[in-house]
Amino acid sequence: GESVGLHLPTLSVQEGDNSIINCAYSNSASDYFIWYKQESGKGPQFIIDIRSNMDKRQGQRVTVLLNKTVKHLSLQIAATQPGDSAVYFCAENKRSNFGNEKLTFGTGTRLTIIP
Amino acid sequence: SAVISQKPSRDICQRGTSLTIQCQVDSQVTMMFWYRQQPGQSLTLIATANQGSEATYESGFVIDKFPISRPNLTFSTLTVSNMSPEDSSIYLCSVWEQGPGELFFGEGSRLTVL
Repeated sequence: GESVGLHLPTLSVQEGDNSIINCAYSNSASDYFIWYKQESGKGPQFIIDIRSNMDKRQGQRVTVLLNKTVKHLSLQIAATQPGDSAVYFCAENKRSNFGNEKLTFGTGTRLTIIP
Repeated sequence: SAVISQKPSRDICQRGTSLTIQCQVDSQVTMMFWYRQQPGQSLTLIATANQGSEATYESGFVIDKFPISRPNLTFSTLTVSNMSPEDSSIYLCSVWEQGPGELFFGEGSRLTVL
């Protein structure tokens, strides 16, 4: 079946360094990808998104890269801070037969920032 | 962005009982969804809560086990029926806002079934 998955379940990064979280997707028809951050005991929070007609998008300290050739998505976090410690999920948009916006989530990567 | 409130935030329940989770949004939204997040895992879509009609369930989820109500554009409930320990999860309400084109989540309801 089609799925969205992550390469690494855990990642530890020294505070101040940059981090890269990777995600592989299998549905070539997906046209919208999102990264979410989930802190302990909270719901997922939107970080950044990218549409399939782009290969790069930048936000504040975050950059998402999309490589449609190899169906790969990455999230780069620059100058990491302790508050960046969380689980990060990638998600892809799959339009249902009813035309609703539905997301399929990857397995998640736990990012730990080491002080 | 939409503010989503869920009740209860957590509960401990006995096997065989049912629990209803409420989701209140501070603005009218067309699309509301219910997700499940099992311990240490990702989010799985249970169903789309349709206002004024029956919910649309994903593969592996059925109405008898997870009945959903959506009486208006700001409120929905999810009931977890005849619970077993395997139902221990976080249940998350989410809404899609067309303006920003984002899916917003509530804080979740952490359910433990003994």
